[in-house]
Amino acid sequence: DIQMTQSPSTLSASVGDRVTITCRASQSINSWLAWYQQKPGKAPKLLIYKASSLESGVPSRFSGSGSGTEFTLTISSLQPDDFATYYCQQYNSYWTFGQGTKVEIK
Amino acid sequence: QVQLQESGPGLVKPSQTLSLTCTVSGGSISSGSYYWSWIRQPAGKGLEWIGRLYTSGSTNYNPSLKSRVTISVDTSKNQFSLQLSSVTAADTAVYYCARVGGGILNYWGQGTLVTVSS
Repeated sequence: DIQMTQSPSTLSASVGDRVTITCRASQSINSWLAWYQQKPGKAPKLLIYKASSLESGVPSRFSGSGSGTEFTLTISSLQPDDFATYYCQQYNSYWTFGQGTKVEIK
Repeated sequence: QVQLQESGPGLVKPSQTLSLTCTVSGGSISSGSYYWSWIRQPAGKGLEWIGRLYTSGSTNYNPSLKSRVTISVDTSKNQFSLQLSSVTAADTAVYYCARVGGGILNYWGQGTLVTVSS
């Protein structure tokens, strides 16, 4: 099984901050990685797929990078609507999610 | 626009079988190259993939749940279903259904809470 490890688990930041979340895979997944945003009581929302492709309608302040085993999600300027939990997901072999990173208000 | 809606009992007794249905609207469940999947999320915890059904009818399951899971389809009703047997309190979670294209879960249901308790 491919394990996905996100860091940090919790991140405290202010509006306007640049935020970076890291996701590491236990083995190479090429670029088969997606990022989701989840708000309380809601289903996850796709942000990024194939490591760096922005889903239609997602603000350009979100970006993804990486390949192989190490990936990052960056929010260039944190907005009030961005306080949420973020998950990475590999789809190289079946599907596995990271444990999540909660972005909270500092 | 594809929409998915989960339905089923919100309370299941330990050792019994959890049964949920996902109704798909806005598109046929048997067309296109999609997987139809179940994912769950215990309260305050992360997401766990349960299994998937391809439009051809083939299925794949999370190895950790494989012995207890069955996913099936009813194309006449445009629905797919989840059965999870021998449930325990550890199976208490919000259960989501989703449509998956190219490995990406781009359409989700709103989720349904299932509690395992006597």
